[in-house]
Amino acid sequence: EDKVVQSPLSLVVHEGDTVTLNCSYEVTNFRSLLWYKQEKKAPTFLFMLTSSGIEKKSGRLSSILDKKELFSILNITATQTGDSAIYLCAVEAERDDKIIFGKGTRLHILP
Amino acid sequence: DGGITQSPKYLFRKEGQNVTLSCEQNLNHDAMYWYRQDPGQGLRLIYYSQIVNDFQKGDIAEGYSVSREKKESFPLTVTSAQKNPTAFYLCASSIVEPYSNQPQHFGDGTRLSIL
Repeated sequence: EDKVVQSPLSLVVHEGDTVTLNCSYEVTNFRSLLWYKQEKKAPTFLFMLTSSGIEKKSGRLSSILDKKELFSILNITATQTGDSAIYLCAVEAERDDKIIFGKGTRLHILP
Repeated sequence: DGGITQSPKYLFRKEGQNVTLSCEQNLNHDAMYWYRQDPGQGLRLIYYSQIVNDFQKGDIAEGYSVSREKKESFPLTVTSAQKNPTAFYLCASSIVEPYSNQPQHFGDGTRLSIL
């Protein structure tokens, strides 16, 4: 059965810390892995990863995919209170045309 | 096992036709959402509902309509006014509590194509 597992489920750190969020997957016919930030309603798209070893960066956020070990990490450096959110990882499968979401990591940044 | 069920998995629409996508949840969640995903893009919010008999437009509501007559069900109709309906549609639900974030639970999606 296809699955996406995120860890930790919950994380509390102080402003300025660096955090690493994990996403491991077992999905047949992998096409891409996506990271989202969920705050109020619609999750905000962060990254789409399709190739191993190529880091994607956007400001203080970065992410990398390891297709051999079947996982991805999302790094946030110099965290700010505005980074507090639920971070969702999702994997798209090619042949079955489906997308599987993890349960999310709830990140809380203390001022 | 609680979850969200979307049907059908694949749907085809002819020109000028309205089609309805089903979304049912047995998680006892108050809030339900419809998203559209296009290749290489993130999720875009179409409509959402936080309570029965009430719903609000999302970012791309034009050409779509919804209803929320029951807590468990949030069907989405893609009308003939939607000129580019080919996409992957995802339904989600979540608990609604004040001052807290709850993760959304997603269905398996419906792929809509034009004939």
